[in-house]
Amino acid sequence: DAKTTQPPSMDCAEGRAANLPCNHSTISGNEYVYWYRQIHSQGPQYIIHGLKNNETNEMASLIITEDRKSSTLILPHATLRDTAVYYCIVRVAGGDDKIIFGKGTRLHILP
Amino acid sequence: DTAVSQTPKYLVTQMGNDKSIKCEQNLGHDTMYWYKQDSKKFLKIMFSYNNKELIINETVPNRFSPKSPDKAHLNLHINSLELGDSAVYFCASSQVWEQFFGPGTRLTVL
Repeated sequence: DAKTTQPPSMDCAEGRAANLPCNHSTISGNEYVYWYRQIHSQGPQYIIHGLKNNETNEMASLIITEDRKSSTLILPHATLRDTAVYYCIVRVAGGDDKIIFGKGTRLHILP
Repeated sequence: DTAVSQTPKYLVTQMGNDKSIKCEQNLGHDTMYWYKQDSKKFLKIMFSYNNKELIINETVPNRFSPKSPDKAHLNLHINSLELGDSAVYFCASSQVWEQFFGPGTRLTVL
């Protein structure tokens, strides 16, 4: 079972920041927070990951609370192409283990 | 340059048939996966191979048999197809931090 809880859907106006929350209250000390997204009919795409510090890359920022029980993915200037299902995942670092996907958040970017 | 490719993209077949889906990655990764996404959009791991060896098998029926001829390929063979096998099947490969997914194969069993 997925160890994360996300709202089923969210709306965001085009050009505004999209803030997607995720609760992971049972996260273990060696587990990272990962975010993937799935645009309609495509394979999931990696966005970002972090352990305890905030992270930023060319796609998004990840804000992790100090107790690590929740996090927020921020898309700074959402575009219509950001419409997708966003999955928050916790997993141990390393590339060999499986990803357990939850239901994710369906993000609608409104023109 | 396609990182993870799958063939075919669409597959429509009758119940009881045997079919295969092919996956290839040109990223030099050691680990490859098969995931199934059903009609309710739940995405679940099926198998994982590391350097041609099976390391994860998530209680998938024996009708599903993955085969890895080399570490760049992980094919999925399905025997005696059933209606419930209709889904989108995604192949993926991984390096340390992220998994790269293929475009998916939409299987429809009639």
